[in-house]
Amino acid sequence: DTGVSQDPRHKITKRGQNVTFRCDPISEHNRLYWYRQTLGQGPEFLTYFQNEAQLEKSRLLSDRFSAERPKGSFSTLEIQRTEQGDSAMYLCASSFQGQISGNTIYFGEGSWLTVV
Amino acid sequence: DAKTTQPNSMESNEEEPVHLPCNHSTISGTDYIHWYRQLPSQGPEYVIHGLTSNVNNRMASLAIAEDRKSSTLILHRATLRDAAVYYCILGSSGGYNKLIFGAGTRLAVHP
Repeated sequence: DTGVSQDPRHKITKRGQNVTFRCDPISEHNRLYWYRQTLGQGPEFLTYFQNEAQLEKSRLLSDRFSAERPKGSFSTLEIQRTEQGDSAMYLCASSFQGQISGNTIYFGEGSWLTVV
Repeated sequence: DAKTTQPNSMESNEEEPVHLPCNHSTISGTDYIHWYRQLPSQGPEYVIHGLTSNVNNRMASLAIAEDRKSSTLILHRATLRDAAVYYCILGSSGGYNKLIFGAGTRLAVHP
């Protein structure tokens, strides 16, 4: 069983450019989450999907951010008109609804974004 | 969301046990106690979770106070590979269990 896969692992982009990150969750996991993490801080929740439905968006997710999960499998996170403050690690995670105890969430390795 | 309080940092020597404390005085009856850890340059990794009873797995043990207002993650024999940031997080058994991370405890392990 492969884990959560994220691509690309590292991205350097110029301010104002658009970037897109892809996440492939663990097979059959119907729940998918995006988090953002800056140096020295814990991960911050961005958004959550159950199957293809985006059920919650954090206030951190400005209008320049959009996430999709078109077929309830992989997900993309797009950042438009990047700013230097968007530099962070973007983490994807997945879990399976139906676990009785506590809904363990599995994280990917993260996609590092540097905006120059 | 109920909050947790952890020390910013702790140190241990290799091969010694480590007890990582967590306070969660506002925990509700349906909140599970989750522990995740994050190694440098990696995503968080599930360690253990529990509700009321103490729990053991191959990675660690979780000791939960009788009133559930605190818990302790126990690494029985620390190795250099256990050096990481450890997060104690409360998650409800209902809903979709969005994990809200704090700053965690940075564990240093000395040879």
